[in-house]
Amino acid sequence: ETGVTQTPRHLVMGMTNKKSLKCEQHLGHNAMYWYKQSAKKPLELMFVYNFKEQTENNSVPSRFSPECPNSSHLFLHLHTLQPEDSALYLCASSQELRDYEQYFGPGTRLTVT
Amino acid sequence: RKEVEQDPGPFNVPEGATVAFNCTYSNSASQSFFWYRQDCRKEPKLLMSVYSSGNEDGRFTAQLNRASQYISLLIRDSKLSDSATYLCAVPGGGSYIPTFGRGTSLIVHP
Repeated sequence: ETGVTQTPRHLVMGMTNKKSLKCEQHLGHNAMYWYKQSAKKPLELMFVYNFKEQTENNSVPSRFSPECPNSSHLFLHLHTLQPEDSALYLCASSQELRDYEQYFGPGTRLTVT
Repeated sequence: RKEVEQDPGPFNVPEGATVAFNCTYSNSASQSFFWYRQDCRKEPKLLMSVYSSGNEDGRFTAQLNRASQYISLLIRDSKLSDSATYLCAVPGGGSYIPTFGRGTSLIVHP
């Protein structure tokens, strides 16, 4: 399935590096999301964009910086991360912001060394 | 009470068994509910949506109990391929963005 794509699929970075995660959705959806999934924890919502405007920042540290240039693309810029930031980062989209099913990308598995 | 709660399991069942999971939620105003399936090291994929009392799709049945604020997922005639983690998602709070439970792990064995 190619509805929501994410690159890279795997990323290893040092704590002083700067990297970016990319998400693209081909579903014509208006809302896009970033989630963090750590082992044995529920999905943690990080950011929400609706019509490319940020509507939610779930108390995420500033070392994570989202960018949404249009309704189809979403980026997560990473800098000076900590080892505890190692996780699976999932992008999702939905038709609208409210009460709609979400479609997830395959995720980027991030390891911070 | 947590917004969305699930028994993490694992539920270990033989092929052909019927198994049911519950998911409790705290926001009584929620109108829609979702079950997702997540395979190991993969992304969650939508399994079923529930907008009224329930929904059925083949071997899978989702039911909503508004009075007790829980939704259930029933799987009949379990297959080995049903082994996965099942996530419940319920919109909550003013933003109506779904909150996910931590998931219930199902293992179907021969």
